[in-house]
Parts: sequence; C-alpha cells; structure tokens
Amino acid sequence: GAVVSQHPSWVICKSGTSVKIECRSLDFQATTMFWYRQFPKQSLMLMATSNEGSKATYEQGVEKDKFLINHASLTLSTLTVTSAHPEDSSFYICSARGQGAGTGELFFGEGSRLTVL
Amino acid sequence: GQNIDQPTEMTATEGAIVQINCTYQTSGFNGLFWYQQHAGEAPTFLSYNVLDGLEEKGRFSSFLSRSKGYSYLLLKELQMKDSASYLCAVRGFDKLIFGAGTRLAVHP
Repeated sequence: GAVVSQHPSWVICKSGTSVKIECRSLDFQATTMFWYRQFPKQSLMLMATSNEGSKATYEQGVEKDKFLINHASLTLSTLTVTSAHPEDSSFYICSARGQGAGTGELFFGEGSRLTVL
Repeated sequence: GQNIDQPTEMTATEGAIVQINCTYQTSGFNGLFWYQQHAGEAPTFLSYNVLDGLEEKGRFSSFLSRSKGYSYLLLKELQMKDSASYLCAVRGFDKLIFGAGTRLAVHP
C-alpha cells in the first residue's frame, strides 16, 4: 500500500511557541491530504483538508489562523500549530488517499504527539 | 448532519467471535471503512464496503446495509492482539468521517 510519513513523532514545547508537523507521501503523489486530531480515548476528528497549490478547507470550529496548513508540493503538507497552549496537546495524524486506490482508502502517517507545557 | 454511532467498549474471550455494530447518518455515501487502532498508533485499514452484503477477509468480515445505514465488523477466533479500538468511518462526498470508536478488550 501507499506510504505516508509524518515527522516528528513526538514533540514537547513551551506554551506560546509554534510547532510544525510534516506529512509526506513517499511513493505516490497526493493532491489532497487530510489532517486529523485525536484526544485520548476519542476518535479522529477531521481538522482540515489540505489541497496542493490552494488554500486548505477547515472544518467548523477549527481556527485557521492557529492551525496553518501549507501544501506546497504533491508530496508534502505541513501543519503549524501557532502559539501553542496546553489544550492543543493532542495526537495529530495526517492522511492521504492513494492514487489508483479504487476504494478511496486513506493511508495514515504515524501520527505526531504534541505536548505543550 | 452527520452521525456515526458505535458502542464505546466491548469485551470478549480469546478464541470467541465478536460483532461490532455501526450505524450512520451522513450527507452522501461513498463507502464505509473499518480501521483498527492500537493505543498510541495510527489507524490501519481493515475493510471497505460500498455495496450491500458481506465482505470476508480472513478472520475479519464486514457487512453493510445501505438502506438501514448499518454495518458490522465481525472478528472470529479472537486473539489477544485484537485488543484495540475499532473505528467505523463513512466517506461522504469527499471527506472520511470517523465514529468515536469501539474499544475491544480480549481476555484469556
């Protein structure tokens, strides 16, 4: 199956700083990537849809100025959590739909666990 | 609106069979997925249904009834390693929306 890589896996930062998370499709081109957030013992909540070469589409309730998404190439999307606060601590997961996958199955990155002190 | 319901927790015995149900109400329907997620890890794909009926894949089977907005995941010959969360997800027009997940605990 298609491979999606996410970096970093773990990040700890101080309150007020910004953190960038990268999501790469390693063996296919992804015009669309999806960013999810998952709090402990809860399911994945879609934050935004990242579109290559255009602005991301954010879900209701997600602050686009706080969660900056850039999809500058067909293999890389980045999520920047700006001015992070402890309540932003969560598991952030990116995903992409593999090309040619008739099912439209999503392939997930390994996830990035953010802890804001 | 969009709503996906599945039980929060289930327990089962090693070697047994367990069925995890999922009901959904979504805007548009382009398939239903089941994912397995172990704690602290990303979800992994288990199955996909877009037409009514049963899809079998080894120890795992998934069923879909579009008219009833209903699916189930059937796990046979349970093993301890099957202890995980099982996520039902529905693809609407474009986005994949996840249910809250069912935490399955398999006991010896």
